[in-house]
Amino acid sequence: GAVVSQHPSWVICKSGTSVKIECRSLDFQATTMFWYRQFPKQSLMLMATSNEGSKATYEQGVEKDKFLINHASLTLSTLTVTSAHPEDSSFYICSAPLGTGDIQYFGAGTRLSVL
Amino acid sequence: AQSVTQLDSQVPVFEEAPVELRCNYSSSVSVYLFWYVQYPNQGLQLLLKYLSGSTLVESINGFEAEFNKSQTSFHLRKPSVHISDTAEYFCAVSDPARGYNNAGNMLTFGGGTRLMVKP
Repeated sequence: GAVVSQHPSWVICKSGTSVKIECRSLDFQATTMFWYRQFPKQSLMLMATSNEGSKATYEQGVEKDKFLINHASLTLSTLTVTSAHPEDSSFYICSAPLGTGDIQYFGAGTRLSVL
Repeated sequence: AQSVTQLDSQVPVFEEAPVELRCNYSSSVSVYLFWYVQYPNQGLQLLLKYLSGSTLVESINGFEAEFNKSQTSFHLRKPSVHISDTAEYFCAVSDPARGYNNAGNMLTFGGGTRLMVKP
Protein backbone atom coordinates (compact mmCIF):
# COMPACT_ATOMS: atom_id res chain seq x y z
CA GLY A 1 0.00 0.00 0.00
CA ALA A 2 0.89 3.65 -0.18
CA VAL A 3 3.29 4.97 2.43
CA VAL A 4 3.40 8.36 4.04
CA SER A 5 6.47 9.14 6.08
CA GLN A 6 6.44 11.75 8.80
CA HIS A 7 9.53 13.09 10.51
CA PRO A 8 10.44 13.54 13.29
CA SER A 9 8.31 11.16 15.29
CA TRP A 10 8.97 13.01 18.53
CA VAL A 11 10.44 16.39 19.24
CA ILE A 12 11.02 18.31 22.43
CA CYS A 13 11.78 21.98 22.18
CA LYS A 14 12.05 25.08 24.31
CA SER A 15 9.33 27.66 24.34
CA GLY A 16 9.88 30.31 21.69
CA THR A 17 11.68 28.08 19.21
CA SER A 18 10.35 26.89 15.87
CA VAL A 19 9.86 23.29 14.89
CA LYS A 20 9.55 21.88 11.39
CA ILE A 21 7.67 18.66 10.68
CA GLU A 22 8.00 16.89 7.35
CA CYS A 23 5.43 14.77 5.59
CA ARG A 24 6.50 12.75 2.56
CA SER A 25 4.59 10.50 0.23
CA LEU A 26 7.16 7.80 -0.49
CA ASP A 27 5.78 5.97 -3.49
CA PHE A 28 3.18 8.29 -4.94
CA GLN A 29 2.66 11.93 -5.73
CA ALA A 30 0.33 14.04 -3.66
CA THR A 31 -0.71 17.48 -4.82
CA THR A 32 -2.79 17.73 -1.68
CA MET A 33 -1.87 16.81 1.85
CA PHE A 34 -3.74 17.35 5.07
CA TRP A 35 -2.45 18.32 8.50
CA TYR A 36 -4.30 17.27 11.63
CA ARG A 37 -3.83 17.95 15.30
CA GLN A 38 -4.80 15.48 17.98
CA PHE A 39 -5.00 16.30 21.66
CA PRO A 40 -4.68 13.48 24.20
CA LYS A 41 -7.63 11.14 24.13
CA GLN A 42 -9.39 13.24 21.52
CA SER A 43 -10.15 12.95 17.85
CA LEU A 44 -8.25 14.43 14.96
CA MET A 45 -9.00 17.99 14.02
CA LEU A 46 -8.13 19.19 10.56
CA MET A 47 -5.80 22.17 10.72
CA ALA A 48 -5.11 22.89 7.08
CA THR A 49 -4.96 21.57 3.57
CA SER A 50 -1.58 21.78 1.93
CA ASN A 51 -1.64 22.42 -1.81
CA GLU A 52 1.36 21.96 -4.05
CA GLY A 53 2.04 25.13 -5.97
CA SER A 54 -0.38 27.31 -4.06
CA LYS A 55 -1.16 28.57 -0.60
CA ALA A 56 -2.43 26.27 2.08
CA THR A 57 -6.05 26.43 3.11
CA TYR A 58 -6.48 26.83 6.85
CA GLU A 59 -9.44 25.78 8.91
CA GLN A 60 -11.26 28.33 10.98
CA GLY A 61 -9.43 29.19 14.15
CA VAL A 62 -6.01 28.01 12.97
CA GLU A 63 -3.40 30.77 12.91
CA LYS A 64 -1.68 30.95 9.54
CA ASP A 65 1.35 32.75 10.90
CA LYS A 66 1.69 30.27 13.71
CA PHE A 67 1.49 27.14 11.62
CA LEU A 68 3.37 27.70 8.40
CA ILE A 69 2.77 25.16 5.66
CA ASN A 70 4.91 24.73 2.60
CA HIS A 71 4.15 22.17 -0.07
CA ALA A 72 7.57 22.17 -1.65
CA SER A 73 7.10 19.35 -4.13
CA LEU A 74 4.67 16.67 -5.19
CA THR A 75 5.95 14.43 -2.42
CA LEU A 76 6.74 16.80 0.43
CA SER A 77 4.76 19.09 2.70
CA THR A 78 6.17 20.74 5.80
CA LEU A 79 4.46 22.19 8.84
CA THR A 80 6.47 24.68 10.88
CA VAL A 81 5.24 25.57 14.32
CA THR A 82 6.67 29.02 14.88
CA SER A 83 7.51 30.41 18.31
CA ALA A 84 6.18 27.32 19.96
CA HIS A 85 4.53 27.52 23.36
CA PRO A 86 3.51 24.78 25.77
CA GLU A 87 -0.09 24.95 24.55
CA ASP A 88 1.16 23.90 21.12
CA SER A 89 2.20 20.56 22.57
CA SER A 90 0.19 17.97 20.73
CA PHE A 91 0.28 15.09 18.29
CA TYR A 92 0.44 16.30 14.70
CA ILE A 93 -0.52 13.94 11.90
CA CYS A 94 -0.37 14.39 8.15
CA SER A 95 -2.19 12.51 5.45
CA ALA A 96 -2.14 12.30 1.71
CA PRO A 97 -4.82 11.00 -0.65
CA LEU A 98 -3.84 8.44 -3.24
CA GLY A 99 -5.06 8.63 -6.79
CA THR A 100 -8.52 10.11 -7.04
CA GLY A 101 -8.38 10.93 -3.38
CA ASP A 102 -10.94 8.49 -2.13
CA ILE A 103 -8.57 7.07 0.45
CA GLN A 104 -6.13 8.94 2.62
CA TYR A 105 -2.92 7.48 3.97
CA PHE A 106 -1.60 8.78 7.23
CA GLY A 107 1.84 9.41 8.56
CA ALA A 108 2.83 7.94 11.90
CA GLY A 109 2.47 11.30 13.58
CA THR A 110 4.79 13.70 15.36
CA ARG A 111 4.58 14.23 19.08
CA LEU A 112 5.58 17.79 19.93
CA SER A 113 6.43 18.65 23.50
CA VAL A 114 7.16 22.30 24.21
CA LEU A 115 8.84 22.98 27.51
CA ALA B 1 -22.03 20.33 7.34
CA GLN B 2 -21.13 16.77 8.04
CA SER B 3 -20.74 15.36 11.51
CA VAL B 4 -19.80 11.98 12.88
CA THR B 5 -20.86 10.59 16.24
CA GLN B 6 -19.24 7.67 17.94
CA LEU B 7 -21.56 6.95 20.79
CA ASP B 8 -19.12 5.07 22.99
CA SER B 9 -15.86 6.66 24.07
CA GLN B 10 -14.66 3.41 25.64
CA VAL B 11 -15.65 -0.19 25.11
CA PRO B 12 -14.20 -2.79 27.48
CA VAL B 13 -14.60 -6.37 26.36
CA PHE B 14 -13.12 -9.74 27.22
CA GLU B 15 -10.93 -11.58 24.77
CA GLU B 16 -12.82 -13.76 22.28
CA ALA B 17 -16.06 -11.90 22.93
CA PRO B 18 -17.90 -10.11 20.11
CA VAL B 19 -17.81 -6.33 19.88
CA GLU B 20 -19.65 -3.56 18.08
CA LEU B 21 -18.37 -0.01 17.83
CA ARG B 22 -21.10 2.38 16.82
CA CYS B 23 -20.84 5.18 14.32
CA ASN B 24 -23.56 7.50 13.09
CA TYR B 25 -23.15 10.37 10.68
CA SER B 26 -25.21 13.26 9.50
CA SER B 27 -24.95 14.50 5.98
CA SER B 28 -27.30 15.81 3.37
CA VAL B 29 -25.33 14.15 0.60
CA SER B 30 -24.02 10.71 -0.10
CA VAL B 31 -20.74 10.04 1.61
CA TYR B 32 -17.78 7.76 1.71
CA LEU B 33 -17.25 6.06 5.05
CA PHE B 34 -14.09 4.86 6.74
CA TRP B 35 -12.86 3.18 9.87
CA TYR B 36 -9.32 3.91 10.99
CA VAL B 37 -7.41 2.27 13.83
CA GLN B 38 -4.75 4.00 15.90
CA TYR B 39 -2.38 2.05 18.10
CA PRO B 40 -0.63 3.90 20.95
CA ASN B 41 1.74 6.63 19.77
CA GLN B 42 1.16 5.79 16.14
CA GLY B 43 -0.64 7.36 13.21
CA LEU B 44 -3.88 6.12 11.75
CA GLN B 45 -4.20 3.00 9.68
CA LEU B 46 -7.11 2.41 7.35
CA LEU B 47 -9.12 -0.53 8.59
CA LEU B 48 -11.91 -0.61 6.02
CA LYS B 49 -13.92 1.63 3.77
CA TYR B 50 -17.25 1.96 2.04
CA LEU B 51 -17.24 3.82 -1.25
CA SER B 52 -20.00 2.09 -3.19
CA GLY B 53 -21.41 -1.34 -3.95
CA SER B 54 -21.98 -3.91 -1.25
CA THR B 55 -23.01 -2.33 2.01
CA LEU B 56 -21.07 -4.89 4.03
CA VAL B 57 -17.34 -4.39 3.94
CA GLU B 58 -14.68 -6.50 5.59
CA SER B 59 -11.08 -6.09 6.68
CA ILE B 60 -8.34 -8.67 6.53
CA ASN B 61 -8.21 -9.06 10.31
CA GLY B 62 -11.81 -10.05 10.89
CA PHE B 63 -13.54 -6.70 11.30
CA GLU B 64 -16.59 -5.82 9.27
CA ALA B 65 -18.82 -2.79 8.95
CA GLU B 66 -22.20 -2.32 7.38
CA PHE B 67 -23.39 0.85 5.73
CA ASN B 68 -27.01 1.53 6.62
CA LYS B 69 -28.26 4.51 4.67
CA SER B 70 -31.67 4.69 6.30
CA GLN B 71 -30.12 4.80 9.76
CA THR B 72 -27.08 6.77 8.62
CA SER B 73 -24.85 4.34 10.43
CA PHE B 74 -21.61 2.50 9.77
CA HIS B 75 -21.10 0.31 12.82
CA LEU B 76 -17.92 -1.74 13.16
CA ARG B 77 -18.15 -5.33 14.38
CA LYS B 78 -15.91 -8.26 15.13
CA PRO B 79 -17.24 -11.64 16.25
CA SER B 80 -14.23 -12.50 18.41
CA VAL B 81 -11.66 -9.94 19.57
CA HIS B 82 -8.02 -10.44 20.48
CA ILE B 83 -5.80 -8.63 22.92
CA SER B 84 -3.99 -7.14 19.95
CA ASP B 85 -7.18 -5.37 18.86
CA THR B 86 -6.80 -2.97 21.79
CA ALA B 87 -6.57 0.44 20.15
CA GLU B 88 -8.46 3.62 19.36
CA TYR B 89 -10.92 3.35 16.50
CA PHE B 90 -12.07 6.34 14.48
CA CYS B 91 -15.01 6.53 12.14
CA ALA B 92 -14.72 9.12 9.38
CA VAL B 93 -16.72 10.41 6.44
CA SER B 94 -15.85 12.35 3.34
CA ASP B 95 -17.96 14.01 0.71
CA PRO B 96 -17.16 12.46 -2.67
CA ALA B 97 -18.75 15.39 -4.47
CA ARG B 98 -15.98 17.71 -3.38
CA GLY B 99 -13.32 18.03 -6.02
CA TYR B 100 -9.96 16.46 -5.40
CA ASN B 101 -8.15 19.75 -5.61
CA ASN B 102 -10.88 21.73 -3.98
CA ALA B 103 -9.84 20.70 -0.49
CA GLY B 104 -11.46 17.53 -1.63
CA ASN B 105 -11.80 14.31 0.25
CA MET B 106 -11.40 16.10 3.53
CA LEU B 107 -12.26 13.72 6.31
CA THR B 108 -14.54 14.49 9.22
CA PHE B 109 -13.71 12.28 12.19
CA GLY B 110 -15.80 10.98 15.01
CA GLY B 111 -14.56 11.37 18.56
CA GLY B 112 -13.02 7.92 18.63
CA THR B 113 -13.75 4.78 20.61
CA ARG B 114 -11.14 3.15 22.76
CA LEU B 115 -11.47 -0.61 22.53
CA MET B 116 -9.96 -2.31 25.56
CA VAL B 117 -9.69 -6.06 25.30
CA LYS B 118 -9.15 -7.84 28.58
CA PRO B 119 -7.72 -11.34 28.99
